[in-house]
Order: sequence, then structure tokens, then C-alpha cells
Amino acid sequence: KNQVEQSPQSLIILEGKNCTLQCNYTVSPFSNLRWYKQDTGRGPVSLTIMTFSENTKSNGRYTATLDADTKQSSLHITASQLSDSASYICVVSAYVLTGGGNKLTFGTGTQLKVEL
Amino acid sequence: NAGVTQTPKFQVLKTGQSMTLQCAQDMNHNSMYWYRQDPGMGLRLIYYSASEGTTDKGEVPNGYNVSRLNKREFSLRLESAAPSQTSVYFCASSEWVGTEAFFGQGTRLTVV
Repeated sequence: KNQVEQSPQSLIILEGKNCTLQCNYTVSPFSNLRWYKQDTGRGPVSLTIMTFSENTKSNGRYTATLDADTKQSSLHITASQLSDSASYICVVSAYVLTGGGNKLTFGTGTQLKVEL
Repeated sequence: NAGVTQTPKFQVLKTGQSMTLQCAQDMNHNSMYWYRQDPGMGLRLIYYSASEGTTDKGEVPNGYNVSRLNKREFSLRLESAAPSQTSVYFCASSEWVGTEAFFGQGTRLTVV
């Protein structure tokens, strides 16, 4: 069964500090992995996408890594800001062998709170 | 520049009532989706439409029906609401299945 596990479940950090969120998956066959940011009361917004051959991808202060061998990804946030307070969701896409297309499996998210 | 628009934003229903959640996208996307999000659980796919004229069941389709009215619009219907359907519902669209999905702002539904 395809699964995506995220850790920690929640995290509180001080503004300006860095943090790293983890995502472990058992999805196969792997197509890509996305990190989404979901602000309270809003829909998720894509931050990064990583395919099998990519190890690192940055989007401003967000850097995602992917280790396809160990099936792990991380999202590193540098110099955190109050506006980074949100839920961060790891979404892994698997190829659908019969019929084509992709199937998405969502993690439950890491709730990040950035405080002064 | 609306993206994906869902209506209504909030709704309270009594058990047994019916209602339709509306979703429209202006990005000319082929694929559209309905998800539900419950506390402590990841987003779960209810139904999706890979392209205009097609709909398929997702992970949790029981108690729901959908209509892909045209390329822009994809509605979700609850025929007889149950308290277990209390959730936040998100509509999303993507160019094709598996490409980046863009989400609406969600509909918070409470069934009492």
C-alpha cells in the first residue's frame, strides 16, 4: 500500500531560525514528489516538485532534497519568517501501470509555527 | 486571475439533506479533482475527472456523486448528508493528471 509519512507532526521555531521537515514514502512506481504549503483556511500551494533524477531543488528560502534510494525527502526552510507558519504537505505521485496517468498519495502534513 | 473558485465557502446541513458544491477553474485545465481533508489525515481523493466527459472514483467515493459540466466546471453532490461527511472539501485542477494541481480555497461543511 502506498504511504507517505511526515515528521515531525508539529514544530515551533523562533523567527530567523532554520528548520527541516521530513517525508518518508513507500510509493511505487515513483513518478515525482511535491511539497505543498497550506496556510490556515486556504488550499495547498505547490512549493517544489522533484523527479527521480533530482537530488536538490530550491525555491527561495525553501530547499527540498530527495533520496530515491532510501525513499526520503526533506524540506529545509532557511531564516524562517512569521509568514512561514503553515502546514507543509508532502505529496508523492505514482505511475498507474494499467490505464496510465498518476496516483497521488498525500502525507498528513507538518504544522509549523514561527514565533517572535 | 481567479484560478480555482469554490462555492460556498461554508455550509451547515442537517442529516439527510442534499447539496451541491460548485467548482470552476479558468486555467483551461483538462483534469479536475475533489478532495476531502479531515483532522489528522491527508487529503483524500473523492472523485476526479481526467478530462472533459470522464469521471472516476477516487479513494473515498461513497455518498458522493460528481458532474463534469464542461471543461471549466466540476461539481460534487451529497445526496443524503451524514455527519461522517463533515469535512473541508477542496476542488483542484491540473493540466493533466499528475501535473501540478492548483487548489481552491475549500468549503467547510458541517453536517449536524
